[in-house]
Amino acid sequence: AQSVSQHNHHVILSEAASLELGCNYSYGGTVNLFWYVQYPGQHLQLLLKYFSGDPLVKGIKGFEAEFIKSKFSFNLRKPSVQWSDTAEYFCALRPSGGYQKVTFGTGTKLQVIP
Amino acid sequence: ETGVTQTPRHLVMGMTNKKSLKCEQHLGHNAMYWYKQSAKKPLELMFVYSLEERVENNSVPSRFSPECPNSSHLFLHLHTLQPEDSALYLCASSQELGREQYFGPGTRLTVT
Repeated sequence: AQSVSQHNHHVILSEAASLELGCNYSYGGTVNLFWYVQYPGQHLQLLLKYFSGDPLVKGIKGFEAEFIKSKFSFNLRKPSVQWSDTAEYFCALRPSGGYQKVTFGTGTKLQVIP
Repeated sequence: ETGVTQTPRHLVMGMTNKKSLKCEQHLGHNAMYWYKQSAKKPLELMFVYSLEERVENNSVPSRFSPECPNSSHLFLHLHTLQPEDSALYLCASSQELGREQYFGPGTRLTVT
């Protein structure tokens, strides 16, 4: 069975700092990967996704993630965070091909201090 | 109205009550999902429907009963719940199974 690990449960950064949130997964085959974000009081929304092709994926609001197959990782990055990036971030995995369920990580709460 | 809507947004119920959660998607999607979100736990997939057929039932207790009358609506019927069932229940939809999911705002359920 697949699993997703997000080791950073709570990250605090000052505005303009660079961000990298870790996501590691466990699955032996081809995968689709996602990052979702949940802003305070709002619903989960898709930030970016990787299905195939260029392993560097760009998403909304200046976020990007890099799929490194050899490391089973899909870390989320942003060069300069803003206060409005304060939210909870979830990494998710889905094995490719046919119907396969999506497995989510436990989430990382990001707090950006003005 | 666009996206995925859920009602009610908040629900408090006793252990002997029967209530239902409703989800509606306005995206023309074919697949719908129920998740349970508890503090400090990963999102737990409960049920998956594709074209109104249940695709997955993830070992969910029978006190939770899903219903999908059409591809736009999904219900979660609740009966004799336990306090540990208190959580945020999220509905999601996707264009087809396995594609990126669009989530509703959730129903915050408290079982007393």
